[in-house]
Amino acid sequence: DAGVIQSPRHEVTEMGQEVTLRCKPISGHDYLFWYRQTMMRGLELLIYFNNNVPIDDSGMPEDRFSAKMPNASFSTLKIQPSEPRDSAVYFCASSLAGGGETQYFGPGTRLLVL
Amino acid sequence: AQTVTQSQPEMSVQEAETVTLSCTYDTSESDYYLFWYKQPPSRQMILVIRQEAYKQQNATENRFSVNFQKAAKSFSLKISDSQLGDAAMYFCAYRSATSQFYFGTGTSLTVIP
Repeated sequence: DAGVIQSPRHEVTEMGQEVTLRCKPISGHDYLFWYRQTMMRGLELLIYFNNNVPIDDSGMPEDRFSAKMPNASFSTLKIQPSEPRDSAVYFCASSLAGGGETQYFGPGTRLLVL
Repeated sequence: AQTVTQSQPEMSVQEAETVTLSCTYDTSESDYYLFWYKQPPSRQMILVIRQEAYKQQNATENRFSVNFQKAAKSFSLKISDSQLGDAAMYFCAYRSATSQFYFGTGTSLTVIP
């Protein structure tokens, strides 16, 4: 299996632009998670899905952030409009159902908003 | 909500020696899972080891082992025979019965040759 795939790996954009991050989970995994990592705030869970349905989006910082999972093999995290404080590494992770199943992380997208 | 605390922001160990990283958590659940992840400079998050709360036996994976104290809500990671490649940020994580994950703030491990 190729593991969790994220694209792009690096993104540099200007303030006010729309940013779309993409994730392909491991085939067969029921859960998908989006995280943000910064030096100041560490690793933060933004939102997670179960069977393509958002379960908990309480970590989404504000309305500028939105996430979708139109099917079992694809998810997007969108920031519109982007701001410099959104600069971070964004991780996608997936896991099988069940309480003990391990989360597998993608390589992350490093976002820089100028 | 559950919380995960890693009280050691930084640790160092001499190559070939043993080091223990601490983690405590707060929960009212009886059934949950605990994990240690490693994040090297590449930023990739890599699973090191996991522990089921219902199991009393401590998990072991080669040079990595845990000391799981359920009553004390403690979950420390022991790395034996430390290698240069072990240098990384280590995160303790808790998975609840609702599949929510909670991560600690991490411990940066330096391995001294």
